[in-house]
Amino acid sequence: DSGVTQTPKHLITATGQRVTLRCSPRSGDLSVYWYQQSLDQGLQFLIQYYNGEERAKGNILERFSAQQFPDLHSELNLSSLELGDSALYFCASSVLSGSLYNEQFFGPGTRLTVL
Amino acid sequence: DQQVKQNSPSLSVQEGRISILNCDYTNSMFDYFLWYKKYPAEGPTFLISISSIKDKNEDGRFTVFLNKSAKHLSLHIVPSQPGDSAVYFCAAVGYNTDKLIFGTGTRLQVFP
Repeated sequence: DSGVTQTPKHLITATGQRVTLRCSPRSGDLSVYWYQQSLDQGLQFLIQYYNGEERAKGNILERFSAQQFPDLHSELNLSSLELGDSALYFCASSVLSGSLYNEQFFGPGTRLTVL
Repeated sequence: DQQVKQNSPSLSVQEGRISILNCDYTNSMFDYFLWYKKYPAEGPTFLISISSIKDKNEDGRFTVFLNKSAKHLSLHIVPSQPGDSAVYFCAAVGYNTDKLIFGTGTRLQVFP
């Protein structure tokens, strides 16, 4: 158990819908990261928040947005869903940002299926 | 453009023998490299890492080798155990950034 929790575990929805994925980082971790793993793909970095502020952005679609709240939990919002958005979405957390040996701890993921 | 590549999607090794997983990268600005292990229905778990200023890092049965001139790193597991059966991801981090750039993974199966 990494200490990172993600809800829900599974999500099935239809094209055009909007969903929210939730992540609670490990206690004391200030950085939260979101990654997407599509079928047969490695994990793709989407976005990072550090202590409530956006720190880095990767290949995140405009239809996707995220935020980190004062209690440090984070939500990833996916809207106007398409079939290709079906994937595993992982959240990770780490203590710091921008330093070496900044190990990221991953949650169990949310499996999103868009029908 | 895949900056981190794991060209072997799968590897099968007998228990007790050495497992060697390979990873190639294209960006010479990567500063730090990590290996993660992933079991089904779980998130990736950090295994071992290496800074770009080193060429070897060892932790128990796991050793990572870095060849900067070839832009290649490898993970050696000796001796391999059935519990090592999982998908292994290589990842890289650029200077002054935290985002991990992952390879596509290698599925390791250790059989008795």
